[in-house]
Amino acid sequence: AQSVTQPDIHITVSEGASLELRCNYSYGATPYLFWYVQSPGQGLQLLLKYFSGDTLVQGIKGFEAEFKRSQSSFNLRKPSVHWSDAAEYFCAVGAIDTDKLIFGTGTRLQVFP
Amino acid sequence: DAGVTQSPTHLIKTRGQQVTLRCSPKSGHDTVSWYQQALGQGPQFIFQYYEEEERQRGNFPDRFSGHQFPNYSSELNVNALLLGDSALYLCASSLLRGSQETQYFGPGTRLLVL
Repeated sequence: AQSVTQPDIHITVSEGASLELRCNYSYGATPYLFWYVQSPGQGLQLLLKYFSGDTLVQGIKGFEAEFKRSQSSFNLRKPSVHWSDAAEYFCAVGAIDTDKLIFGTGTRLQVFP
Repeated sequence: DAGVTQSPTHLIKTRGQQVTLRCSPKSGHDTVSWYQQALGQGPQFIFQYYEEEERQRGNFPDRFSGHQFPNYSSELNVNALLLGDSALYLCASSLLRGSQETQYFGPGTRLLVL
């Protein structure tokens, strides 16, 4: 069965520090992978997506993610975190033929000044 | 260009009641999906509408039903509400089902069942 695991429920970093959010997936074929961000009281905004090709994907707001097939991972990174990055981050895997998204449970990012 | 809009933003109901949530997709989009996000959880897929038909359904009971109109807007109906139906309900729209075009999410409707 398809599933997504985000091992870290809550991460705290200092502003300016680097960030890596972990995501592991289970999927029977080559997955479509996504990272979304959700600010309090808001809907989900797409940060980046991986369909095929280059395994290092660039997204908005300075985020990037790397697809590692051997590790079934799609970790999100940012070299220098800003206070405005504080939010909930969701990793998701997409079904190829229907656009249905399966989400992880999310990682809450807190940023200290 | 308006994004995905949902109404109402908040709703309070009591157990056993029925509720209807509404979604207008992003301009030009023809596919609407609904998700339920319980507190502290990731969104869970309820169902998807395309060409006014339910195309795929997640693991939700028949109390959850929907509709898509010719203008691509959609409704989510929940009958016989349970306390456990309290959640944020998200609508997402996309173009060309199955093409993995980006799904755009609305701000959601927060439903509280008392």
